[in-house]
Amino acid sequence: GIQVEQSPPDLILQEGANSTLRCNFSDSVNNLQWFHQNPWGQLINLFYIPSGTKQNGRLSATTVATERYSLLYISSSQTTDSGVYFCAVATGGFKTIFGAGTRLFVKA
Amino acid sequence: GAVVSQHPSWVICKSGTSVKIECRSLDFQATTMFWYRQFPKQSLMLMATSNEGSKATYEQGVEKDKFLINHASLTLSTLTVTSAHPEDSSFYICSASGGLKNGAAVDEQFFGPGTRLTVL
Repeated sequence: GIQVEQSPPDLILQEGANSTLRCNFSDSVNNLQWFHQNPWGQLINLFYIPSGTKQNGRLSATTVATERYSLLYISSSQTTDSGVYFCAVATGGFKTIFGAGTRLFVKA
Repeated sequence: GAVVSQHPSWVICKSGTSVKIECRSLDFQATTMFWYRQFPKQSLMLMATSNEGSKATYEQGVEKDKFLINHASLTLSTLTVTSAHPEDSSFYICSASGGLKNGAAVDEQFFGPGTRLTVL
């Protein structure tokens, strides 16, 4: 089956810093999403981005489908950005595979 | 986005009892719902995919007789953990996708808040 690798696994930032999270996948996908899981476990949809670039406030994402990777950019990080960021892909139908996640901690 | 609810948000039960978890899509009719399981500090593992009116498709290694899934309508799916044991303690999360919301196709998955199950 498809493999999804996220890097880095852990990341500590000073408030105000920028960061880039990466998601590599091993096969063609028809669906890619980025999520933020908050400390209470709720998964929050950040981007639905099977290809191209999108921006939402301080966050932006780019997926290069032909090279099988996606990037999530966080600018001017805030303490509320802390949590786990997941990349999830689907290859056909709706079956979705999650990466292991990047655990982010933003220090005040 | 879309709203998905789960009930209960947490449950503590004795070993051997059965627990039912409900997942509802509140503002769109989802053709497909998914059930995931998440252990502490780990990623989400897909347990099964259910489509309204048909039998769920279980992932390899997931016991269908242990984790009963019913998808009776386009807005409700239930997961029943039968004869629960301590090793079933986990965070269970559902998601909904497919169908239409305000006339537009729902291609992405929207997740419920999760149910934390503790079996004593």
